Amino acid sequence: DAGVIQSPRHEVTEMGQEVTLRCKPISGHDYLFWYRQTMMRGLELLIYFNNNVPIDDSGMPEDRFSAKMPNASFSTLKIQPSEPRDSAVYFCASSLGQGVRRNTEAFFGQGTRLTVV
Amino acid sequence: AQSVTQLGSHVSVSEGALVLLRCNYSSSVPPYLFWYVQYPNQGLQLLLKYTSAATLVKGINGFEAEFKKSETSFHLTKPSAHMSDAAEYFCAVSRGAGNKLTFGGGTRVLVKP
Repeated sequence: DAGVIQSPRHEVTEMGQEVTLRCKPISGHDYLFWYRQTMMRGLELLIYFNNNVPIDDSGMPEDRFSAKMPNASFSTLKIQPSEPRDSAVYFCASSLGQGVRRNTEAFFGQGTRLTVV
Repeated sequence: AQSVTQLGSHVSVSEGALVLLRCNYSSSVPPYLFWYVQYPNQGLQLLLKYTSAATLVKGINGFEAEFKKSETSFHLTKPSAHMSDAAEYFCAVSRGAGNKLTFGGGTRVLVKP
């Protein structure tokens, strides 16, 4: 498997524009996570899905942020409208279920570096 | 609530010297603990994980970590640093075996020749 694939790797956009980040998880993984990394706040969990269903979106900072997972192989994180303070690296990760007998670590994508000017 | 504290945001070691990165956690139940490494402009890569099978956990690239319940610690060590170890290291805790991680603030390691 090619691992978790995120696109684009870099995105520069103007304030007020809509931004869509994309993620393809590892095939067969049933959990998908979106994290944000900033210098000030470190790594924060934004939202995660289990079997394509959003389980916990309490980390989503504002209503401007939304995430979807229409099928097991694709997820999007959308920011509309974008603001300069949204500038960060956004990571997608996937993992396989729970239980000590299963391979439960999260596998991370390369990240999308978002700059809002 | 779970939390993770990494002591020292930056660590500088000489090549060949011991690397010691400290991590303390708080959890109301036995935790699952992880160490991840992030190289510049890369995603996070798993170094090792503790899932209660053994208190001393060996990972990739010569790293190991010891789980000490009495000290609520999971410190990461490597006997001899290599230039390629320069990166940022994150300790993370999950009560649900990796499904929802809470990360520490990270420790950036600089290796001096």
